[in-house]
Amino acid sequence: GAGVSQTPSNKVTEKGKYVELRCDPISGHTALYWYRQSLGQGPEFLIYFQGTGAADDSGLPNDRFFAVRPEGSVSTLKIQRTERGDSAVYLCASSPGTSGTTDTQYFGPGTRLTVL
Amino acid sequence: AQSVTQPDIHITVSEGASLELRCNYSYGATPYLFWYVQSPGQGLQLLLKYFSGDTLVQGIKGFEAEFKRSQSSFNLRKPSVHWSDAAEYFCAVGAPWGTYKYIFGTGTRLKVLA
Repeated sequence: GAGVSQTPSNKVTEKGKYVELRCDPISGHTALYWYRQSLGQGPEFLIYFQGTGAADDSGLPNDRFFAVRPEGSVSTLKIQRTERGDSAVYLCASSPGTSGTTDTQYFGPGTRLTVL
Repeated sequence: AQSVTQPDIHITVSEGASLELRCNYSYGATPYLFWYVQSPGQGLQLLLKYFSGDTLVQGIKGFEAEFKRSQSSFNLRKPSVHWSDAAEYFCAVGAPWGTYKYIFGTGTRLKVLA
């Protein structure tokens, strides 16, 4: 079946602009995660959704970052007033949400964000 | 603080040789442990995971990993590497309760020589 998809695959923007990154999870998965992977680093947790609600947003670096999942499926990560330091690959993952922390997280290919 | 250490940034092996990628973690209790592989342009793919029980776990693509509680390690091994194994490998830990977030290591990039 279809895996996690993310659009766009690449996004180039200018400092100070607003961007939206989209994630389509695997159908039926209730849990959704966003991670950020900077160059030469491992993925870093940003936010976790269970259904429509953000169950853990402790990884969001500041209030310029916001994520929504209004219908419990597609999620959008929103970044306001982008800064050069926001340049990274943004990864989305989903899991069934039925087995708690033993669920396997399935990752999308990521969106590479470049802030000029 | 919770952390995952992958001490080898780059590893180069010849095709057919054995492989061991190291992973050490710092955690308040025994976490859940994972190895993921990331190929260029591909998403992270789960190789194997450890929750409890037998400390030697088998994964996909001929990989295995051994959990050693006394060393806080979860090293990944493969007896004979194939050229297609060239990729970046990430070790990750997850809490056995509460939050579902993973903490990843910085990764080990594997190069395979023909």
